[in-house]
Amino acid sequence: KNEVEQSPQNLTAQEGEFITINCSYSVGISALHWLQQHPGGGIVSLFMLSSGKKKHGRLIATINIQEKHSSLHITASHPRDSAVYICAVRGGGADGLTFGKGTHLIIQP
Amino acid sequence: GAGVSQSPSNKVTEKGKDVELRCDPISGHTALYWYRQSLGQGLEFLIYFQGNSAPDKSGLPSDRFSAERTGGSVSTLTIQRTQQEDSAVYLCASSQQRDQPQHFGDGTRLSIL
Repeated sequence: KNEVEQSPQNLTAQEGEFITINCSYSVGISALHWLQQHPGGGIVSLFMLSSGKKKHGRLIATINIQEKHSSLHITASHPRDSAVYICAVRGGGADGLTFGKGTHLIIQP
Repeated sequence: GAGVSQSPSNKVTEKGKDVELRCDPISGHTALYWYRQSLGQGLEFLIYFQGNSAPDKSGLPSDRFSAERTGGSVSTLTIQRTQQEDSAVYLCASSQQRDQPQHFGDGTRLSIL
């Protein structure tokens, strides 16, 4: 079974700061997802990747398959980026996703 | 909009009762997932449907849980003889194929008294 570890668990930063959230997993994967969940809100898929790097607006996701590690970066962070960011992987023969515990991000104005 | 729709949005029931949760996936999405989000447990996978193939039920926590997907579209998750530990938000997601971005519904918040 895959184990997914995220760090940090909690992060508070000032508006405009560059944010990095890390995700490590224990066994080979077919796909890695980054999800966003606002307080009291639904879950939105930010990225799905299996190699390399993806960018969407101020968000960048990278993955290193050899090191079993992915990072989510937010440039020019804004208070509306405040949310829980969740890393999830599919691998090890499983069909469903295995989730990290999430990173609770607060961006202060 | 044409997102994933779940009903009911909230369900309160007494311990021992059966409950049915419904999910309408995005039209054309062949993959459908059920997940559970509990306060102490985070998000966990329950069951996966892909087209007309046999579902992957490996995440169902007990035989009180079952799910079906009729006609490759709507899915229902049934919990029999509910227990207090079943209290959670039950989320449905769909994607065009496995290993494509998943679109999540808003969930059903289930409370067992």
